[in-house]
Amino acid sequence: EVQLVESGGGVVRPGGSLRLSCAASGFTFDGYGMSWVRQAPGKGLEWVSGINWNGGSTVYAVSVKGRFTISRDNAKNSLYLQMNSLRAEDTALYHCARSSGSYWYYGMDVWGQGTTVTVSS
Amino acid sequence: QSALTQPASVSGSPGQSITISCTGTSSDVGGYNYVSWYQQHPGKAPRLIIYEVSNRPSGVSNRFSGSKSGNTASLTISGLQAEDEADYYCCSYTSSSTKVFGGGTKLTVL
Repeated sequence: EVQLVESGGGVVRPGGSLRLSCAASGFTFDGYGMSWVRQAPGKGLEWVSGINWNGGSTVYAVSVKGRFTISRDNAKNSLYLQMNSLRAEDTALYHCARSSGSYWYYGMDVWGQGTTVTVSS
Repeated sequence: QSALTQPASVSGSPGQSITISCTGTSSDVGGYNYVSWYQQHPGKAPRLIIYEVSNRPSGVSNRFSGSKSGNTASLTISGLQAEDEADYYCCSYTSSSTKVFGGGTKLTVL
């Protein structure tokens, strides 16, 4: 079964850091681009970051650029999101999502259930 | 990058067809064919229903179709069914090498 499972969410104070992980299974992980997408409580979807199949290209939404870093370890079938200088507005459910091809900009055809990040003092 | 513009809500009766619009600019929807649509039921993860403007992934009903004209993409659902009641989001690649979602449309099946 093709599956993505996120972990690493939690409650963190403003200015703090958190590292999210996404474990992939059931498909050849290094053949696909990946993205992180978040959804604040009661709000819509917001694309956060994307990475190509080999990690050679990484891109970020303006709202997180310079604070978040996306990476992947193809040997471990895992995707990561390092989040620094967290703000209250980063509070959301964070999904990892697989692109339907090698590059991050294709449609996202497999989604995890998400991990919750709460930034609060 | 501003969010793409979608109507907040649409509704239709079972069996009818509805269309959801997604308006952007020449820097996103109008400039590229990397427009996708997602269906999200409450408490669930989003599901890809249309990619690259008009392509359906395997397993998605042919009642769902996508198109684009200028800076506006559209999702049409024909033969509405109760199970189609959900939130729908469009998404586009942008000239800034990012992606942008629409604000989402709540579909109510009357």
